[in-house]
Amino acid sequence: AQSVTQLDSQVPVFEEAPVELRCNYSSSVSVYLFWYVQYPNQGLQLLLKYLSGSTLVESINGFEAEFNKSQTSFHLRKPSVHISDTAEYFCAVSVGTGFQKLVFGTGTRLLVSP
Amino acid sequence: NAGVTQTPKFQVLKTGQSMTLQCAQDMNHNSMYWYRQDPGMGLRLIYYSASEGTTDKGEVPNGYNVSRLNKREFSLRLESAAPSQTSVYFCASSPRQGDEKLFFGSGTQLSVL
Repeated sequence: AQSVTQLDSQVPVFEEAPVELRCNYSSSVSVYLFWYVQYPNQGLQLLLKYLSGSTLVESINGFEAEFNKSQTSFHLRKPSVHISDTAEYFCAVSVGTGFQKLVFGTGTRLLVSP
Repeated sequence: NAGVTQTPKFQVLKTGQSMTLQCAQDMNHNSMYWYRQDPGMGLRLIYYSASEGTTDKGEVPNGYNVSRLNKREFSLRLESAAPSQTSVYFCASSPRQGDEKLFFGSGTQLSVL
């Protein structure tokens, strides 16, 4: 069965600094990978996804993630964070076409300070 | 743009009490889901409904029942609440089974004393 590991439960960072949120997955077959973001008191929203093709995917608000098959990773990065990026970020994996059974990681809380 | 609406937002129950969490979506989506979110455990799928008239168990279905009342509504029932069911519950929907983009409600925070 597939699983997702987010090693960092909380990442504090100063505004305009770069950040990387780590995600590793375990699966013996092809996977589809996702990052969801949860702002305070809200539901989750899809941030970006990897299904196939280019291993580097980007979101509209400056985040990017790179699928690394050899390291089974899908780390999320942003070169310069804003206060408004403070949120919890969840990595998720789905195997094959079974999207309805996304497996989520435990989440990483990004805390951006001025 | 209402999207996915969950009620209530907060609820406190005593052990053994029953209640139903309501979820409705106005996006004409076929598939709907119930997740629970617990500290340090991420989101776990309780039940899902791939289309109107069908429901299936997810990862943690014990202690819960669901009803897909119509295409818009998908309710989650706790027949006899237990402290282990203290959690934040999220309803989500997607246009169809197999669509990777889920739309989430804002959650229901449930405490069972």
